[in-house]
Amino acid sequence: EPEVTQTPSHQVTQMGQEVILRCVPISNHLYFYWYRQILGQKVEFLVSFYNNEISEKSEIFDDQFSVERPDGSNFTLKIRSTKLEDSAMYFCASSEALMTQYFGPGTRLLVL
Amino acid sequence: QKEVEQNSGPLSVPEGAIASLNCTYSDRGSQSFFWYRQYSGKSPELIMFIYSNGDKEDGRFTAQVDKSSKYISLFIRDSQPSDSATYLCAMSARGGGADGLTFGKGTHLIIQP
Repeated sequence: EPEVTQTPSHQVTQMGQEVILRCVPISNHLYFYWYRQILGQKVEFLVSFYNNEISEKSEIFDDQFSVERPDGSNFTLKIRSTKLEDSAMYFCASSEALMTQYFGPGTRLLVL
Repeated sequence: QKEVEQNSGPLSVPEGAIASLNCTYSDRGSQSFFWYRQYSGKSPELIMFIYSNGDKEDGRFTAQVDKSSKYISLFIRDSQPSDSATYLCAMSARGGGADGLTFGKGTHLIIQP
């Protein structure tokens, strides 16, 4: 069964450093998403991406965040200058047109 | 501001009984409704989706949506210890793609053997 994959599974970084989280969506899906979940809190939407551009973004997705689809398979989330409060689990998801979003296993980001 | 409220639990149900989970939402424009299951430290796993008012059944799971009261439910029949997890309800405003989901905080369900 096709699935969303994410790398790395864990990332530790120093405050102020840039990180890039990578995702490979399900191959025939057209819509891509990033969510985050701070420990013990709810899953929060960050951004959605369709047709090589951002479709929707939340208030969390400020100028320090960016997304890119650098090739036909990868979808990346960049955090330009990490803060302590960026420590969270980051989930990538993908969907076909009918909104059923399938989540990857996540990247656990720890900012020290 | 879209809000989704769930009782965080824990909700304890004996094995074989029906587990009943629910949540309320604030956005009257919500069109699509989802239930995800999340095991500790893992990603959300889709269980059910429902795009309209009424009921939808899939195996041991039944989802219900009441848009007039902005209330959605999930029933798990013949509950098993492996059903023990956190159940997240989620919704989106539109019926098409690229719409971010708004999640509740989740209900922690414990199935007692």
